[in-house]
Amino acid sequence: DTEVTQTPKHLVMGMTNKKSLKCEQHMGHRAMYWYKQKAKKPPELMFVYSYEKLSINESVPSRFSPECPNSSLLNLHLHALQPEDSALYLCASSQIQGEVGTEAFFGQGTRLTVV
Amino acid sequence: DQQVKQNSPSLSVQEGRISILNCDYTNSMFDYFLWYKKYPAEGPTFLISISSIKDKNEDGRFTVFLNKSAKHLSLHIVPSQPGDSAVYFCAAVELAGTASKLTFGTGTRLQVTL
Repeated sequence: DTEVTQTPKHLVMGMTNKKSLKCEQHMGHRAMYWYKQKAKKPPELMFVYSYEKLSINESVPSRFSPECPNSSLLNLHLHALQPEDSALYLCASSQIQGEVGTEAFFGQGTRLTVV
Repeated sequence: DQQVKQNSPSLSVQEGRISILNCDYTNSMFDYFLWYKKYPAEGPTFLISISSIKDKNEDGRFTVFLNKSAKHLSLHIVPSQPGDSAVYFCAAVELAGTASKLTFGTGTRLQVTL
């Protein structure tokens, strides 16, 4: 199983709503990531979790709040977003440094629209 | 500051011919380089990687070449097939503690024509 599953696939939310994006993997990867991709741009790193601990936050606004409840799950809690936050949100996972294989496996993404 | 660049936004190649996608980077501390293929509204799919200590890696129709002195890598696809039509991203990996921090290039849209 080399799958990273993201739900929902599409989400429309108002600027006052609170919603969560979910990501799950069962590859035993202990590093998980959130990326954001705007149209015609490359994916940009938001957060990295290693061993369920936040290890990198790329200066992401606090209206995005990540959570890693266990080694298989990664959530992104959204609150008071702006229309410019509309994008494709990608979750990824990978082996920890030093183990075999360093490639990150990506989910299909959640297409978020903020209205 | 774009640390990883793909200077050709698009490339059109005939079926059966070789596709060559190029990528340049500025940070000499990158440890690995990866190539991903991406369809619209989907997540990137891993294709092939190369360690910074190697200069070539081959996997089936895909070969990646790394020229460290020039800070340049390229992906060769031969023979190209219509199903290869997609956006290709190179990504540079910086090992940050226990995790890998990927920086993506700007992408090249490959169109393989019949």
